[in-house]
Amino acid sequence: NAGVTQTPKFRILKIGQSMTLQCTQDMNHNYMYWYRQDPGMGLKLIYYSVGAGITDKGEVPNGYNVSRSTTEDFPLRLELAAPSQTSVYFCASSRTRTSGAASYEQYFGPGTRLTVT
Amino acid sequence: KQEVTQIPAALSVPEGENLVLNCSFTDSAIYNLQWFRQDPGKGLTSLLLIQSSQREQTSGRLNASLDKSSGRSTLYIAASQPGDSATYLCAVRLNAGGTSYGKLTFGQGTILTVHP
Repeated sequence: NAGVTQTPKFRILKIGQSMTLQCTQDMNHNYMYWYRQDPGMGLKLIYYSVGAGITDKGEVPNGYNVSRSTTEDFPLRLELAAPSQTSVYFCASSRTRTSGAASYEQYFGPGTRLTVT
Repeated sequence: KQEVTQIPAALSVPEGENLVLNCSFTDSAIYNLQWFRQDPGKGLTSLLLIQSSQREQTSGRLNASLDKSSGRSTLYIAASQPGDSATYLCAVRLNAGGTSYGKLTFGQGTILTVHP
């Protein structure tokens, strides 16, 4: 299993440009998440999805959009990039309950480092 | 709103020392708590996960404890090694009647440096 993969690893955008950060997982997890990490800070949740076709906002959703057409993929779209979106973006996934208590233990991708200038 | 705080922000120790990293959270109604390790420029690696009904979890030289009523968790690292140098993040999941969907609230992390 490759686990959670993210592309690209690095990207520089000009203010006002758009881009899509890709995230794919091969563990058949229903739950997927997007976080951003600013320097010296913990991670903040942007959006999450509990299954194909179902998404919801996290703590910091403004300026982002997501879609979930398949179980495997959860792309994050930035429209009209702003300097405040300079950050490292992490995608994660977790399994749902199969039996007993669910742990929701999350598995993270390697991240995408985005700079907006 | 759940807030998670980690103390200290940075820690530098000589090789071989035992050390403790602290994590506190404001809402004790948690589902579980997870400790992660993050190496520079890398993603997060899960170290230990403690369910709300548990008091501690152990993995090798790592031991994590949980005191839900006081809103605290500690990560104990025994006989530290230079390879332990990384940022350690604590994260909690709220127990929201099954609607939390596993969402995590993170602390800001403790940067650990272990000198040879």
